[in-house]
Amino acid sequence: NAGVMQNPRHLVRRRGQEARLRCSPMKGHSHVYWYRQLPEEGLKFMVYLQKENIIDESGMPKERFSAEFPKEGPSILRIQQVVRGDSAAYFCASSPPVGRAVNEQYFGPGTRLTVT
Amino acid sequence: TQLLEQSPQFLSIQEGENLTVYCNSSSVFSSLQWYRQEPGEGPVLLVTVVTGGEVKKLKRLTFQFGDARKDSSLHITAAQPGDTGLYLCAGEERSSNTGKLIFGQGTTLQVKP
Repeated sequence: NAGVMQNPRHLVRRRGQEARLRCSPMKGHSHVYWYRQLPEEGLKFMVYLQKENIIDESGMPKERFSAEFPKEGPSILRIQQVVRGDSAAYFCASSPPVGRAVNEQYFGPGTRLTVT
Repeated sequence: TQLLEQSPQFLSIQEGENLTVYCNSSSVFSSLQWYRQEPGEGPVLLVTVVTGGEVKKLKRLTFQFGDARKDSSLHITAAQPGDTGLYLCAGEERSSNTGKLIFGQGTTLQVKP
C-alpha cells in the first residue's frame, strides 16, 4: 500500500479501555487522513491533519476521539473509553504537500479494532 | 450529506466476461478516484480522473469520468479471477478545500474460473 505504515494491525480492547492507533505517512507526504470502515459500510472520513495542525475534524465523533500529528513521529488516533460500536477498521491515508494538482491519497493496511 | 452511489453492490461473473461498475452522485467532484480493496487490507489506488469526459485505461480496465464530473464508470474487459475484490470509487468535492474523500459503498466482484 505505497508505504503508509499503520500499527498495530489488530487491536483488542475491553469496553472502557483506551485505544491508540498509529500511522506513519509515505515518505515526503505531509498530509494525513483518518477514515473508519464499519462492517458492511463504506469508508467514512474522520479527520485531516498536517504536521501539528488539525485541518478538518468534521467527521470525528464529538466525544472520546482525538487525533494528532506531531512535528516528530507518527500520527495518532486515540479513542478513550471504547465501546462495542467503535469496533471497525481504521485506515490512515497520506498525500503529498500542498501545491499538488490532484489530491491522491494512499492508504495504509488499516488497524482492525475489536472491542469486547 | 454528499453521497456517491455505486452499482451494482455485488457482481458474480464467469472468467472472460465483461462488466461495468457505476458511480453516481448529484454533486460535482474536482477529481474522482477508483480503489481496489482486498480482504484485510487497505484500499489500493487504481486511477484518478480529473477532467470531465476523461477516459483512462489500465490494461483491461477502462475508467471514465462523466462530462459534468458527477459520475464515473469502471469497465473490465475479459475479467480474470485475479480481478476479484472490492472496488471503491471516491470523490473529492469541488466545494471542499480540505481534500477529504467521499466514498461509495463499494462493488464486490467475484470472478469464477
